[in-house]
Parts: sequence; structure tokens; C-alpha cells
Amino acid sequence: QQPVQSPQAVILREGEDAVINCSSSKALYSVHWYRQKHGEAPVFLMILLKGGEQKGHDKISASFNEKKQQSSLYLTASQLSYSGTYFCGTEAGGYQKVTFGTGTKLQVIP
Amino acid sequence: DAGVIQSPRHEVTEMGQEVTLRCKPISGHDYLFWYRQTMMRGLELLIYFNNNVPIDDSGMPEDRFSAKMPNASFSTLKIQPSEPRDSAVYFCASRTGYGPGELFFGEGSRLTVL
Repeated sequence: QQPVQSPQAVILREGEDAVINCSSSKALYSVHWYRQKHGEAPVFLMILLKGGEQKGHDKISASFNEKKQQSSLYLTASQLSYSGTYFCGTEAGGYQKVTFGTGTKLQVIP
Repeated sequence: DAGVIQSPRHEVTEMGQEVTLRCKPISGHDYLFWYRQTMMRGLELLIYFNNNVPIDDSGMPEDRFSAKMPNASFSTLKIQPSEPRDSAVYFCASRTGYGPGELFFGEGSRLTVL
């Protein structure tokens, strides 16, 4: 079963912040985050393991609440290069298959 | 090092024809995944292999789809016969077998069935 992402789409002006949420009905072992530019392959951003972890990557960070089976991706002071579709991927029942949500399309405008 | 290599990058075919998509994973990676991407359904997992053995094919839409991994460096996804609703971008991805880790995606194969 696919994780659910929200919002489906968001438009930001440069410098604004955004939060993308990902939730699952299953107990999760890990959550992945990827960004995909138009016409390209998804590119890995970060992975969070169960244990209430938080990670950061430049101005992009994420949290994982395993009790709620939710993860959030935080983009601060957005840049034009942040535009793309963001996917969360979840692993349940062990570190094996990664199931992706339907994605959140993010557009950063000047 | 070369990444995941997929071929063909683009395929246009007519309904009823057989389609074969190919993937070469990163050397040393134990897991190989086939995903299908459409606007409506996002990235769907079709099947994945561990050490060349299919582990979960529950995402394969129907019997028209089949996948093989005859050795550690090659996998195929076959659609026979193809239908217009199979039009999508098909991604192959691989990862190591040591705990959780990122998926490395190929560039994808864009399939159009007329």
C-alpha cells in the first residue's frame, strides 16, 4: 500500500519555507526522500530510520515519527533549484522493498 | 563508476507488440527493483529481486508482464502483448544488501504504446 503524501502540489516564492508530509498505515522501518526533476530519474535526498530520527541536508531536513508512522520534509529558504517532485518512500517489515507515495510537485518562483 | 543503465531510453510500439526493457544494475548491488511511473499513480513498484531471485511480484499488473534476472548484472521486464494503458516511464533501481540504503535509479525507459 502506497504512503500518502500531502500536499499534492505547492508553489513557493524564493526564500519561503515548505513542509511536505508522508504518512503510512503500516509500521515503518525507514523513510526515504527523493527529488525528481522533470524528465529525469529520482535522486536520493536522505533516509531516516525508526527511532524518531531527524536529519538535515543543507536547508532541507526531515523528521520521522515512527509511532505515528509519519515523516515530514522541511524545505527552508527555498531556492529555484528546489523545484521538482518530491517522493517519500517507505520500508515496512524490514529493509527490503521501498514503496513510494504519489509525490508532491513543488515549484519555486522568483 | 557507471550507474544503473537502462535501455532503450524511448520505445514507441503498436498495441499487441512485445516490449522488452533492459536493466544493468550497479556492480555489487544485491537488490534490483522495477518501478512504473505515471501521472495518476506515481511510482509503482512492480517487482524486486534479491540476489537474482524474485522476492515480491505483487505489483505486476497482470500476466502480460514478466520479469527475469538471469544473472547479477542483467534484468529484463517484458510486456506481451502491450496495450496503450502500459504507456509509462519504467525505472530500474538497485541498492546494496547491507541494511537500509538509498536506491540508485536508472534514467528510465519511456514507453509509448499506440
